Amino acid sequence: ETGVTQTPRHLVMGMTNKKSLKCEQHLGHNAMYWYKQSAKKPLELMFVYSLEERVENNSVPSRFSPECPNSSHLFLHLHTLQPEDSALYLCASSQAQGYEQYFGPGTRLTVT
Amino acid sequence: GESVGLHLPTLSVQEGDNSIINCAYSNSASDYFIWYKQESGKGPQFIIDIRSNMDKRQGQRVTVLLNKTVKHLSLQIAATQPGDSAVYFCAEWNPSEGKLIFGQGTTLQVKP
Repeated sequence: ETGVTQTPRHLVMGMTNKKSLKCEQHLGHNAMYWYKQSAKKPLELMFVYSLEERVENNSVPSRFSPECPNSSHLFLHLHTLQPEDSALYLCASSQAQGYEQYFGPGTRLTVT
Repeated sequence: GESVGLHLPTLSVQEGDNSIINCAYSNSASDYFIWYKQESGKGPQFIIDIRSNMDKRQGQRVTVLLNKTVKHLSLQIAATQPGDSAVYFCAEWNPSEGKLIFGQGTTLQVKP
């Protein structure tokens, strides 16, 4: 798991809190992704960045705000979340879009 | 949108036997397919991929078969081991949407 790292691994937050998830890739990739994984559902793509430009925003609520300051780092800023936002949030990277994606271990988020 | 599905949510096999996990896809324009393995508490791990100009690809103890005529993908694991117990996802690259679409996953249980 040293290729793509995510912090924190677990996060519990109230609905009025503001927190950020961090992802870092050490693979020299040019594309990075945020996915949401809920029980019994397929992985849901949230955001895609290619060469630090956002290229995909899958109708994600504005309470999720991504940031990609450089090709190695990706953040997901969270504010005023809902309990249904509780899930595993996965970061991934790839050489470019259309290539295999490598995932981090995820952040297990619980919204209370 | 298009969907990628797996035929069985759970597959139980005896240690040492071969496992076959199936996946059906619906987008005939998809040209790239990936199998991922996800162990409990971890992010998905890349296993093997195949492009649409091939019908078979082999890795270490794993083989992916692609049948474009019936839009079917399978993952074969030889001599299944307890460490193979995990959830297996197939994913297809949709070139028109420019993203990977994941199936729901099949849980592989290996009995000692």
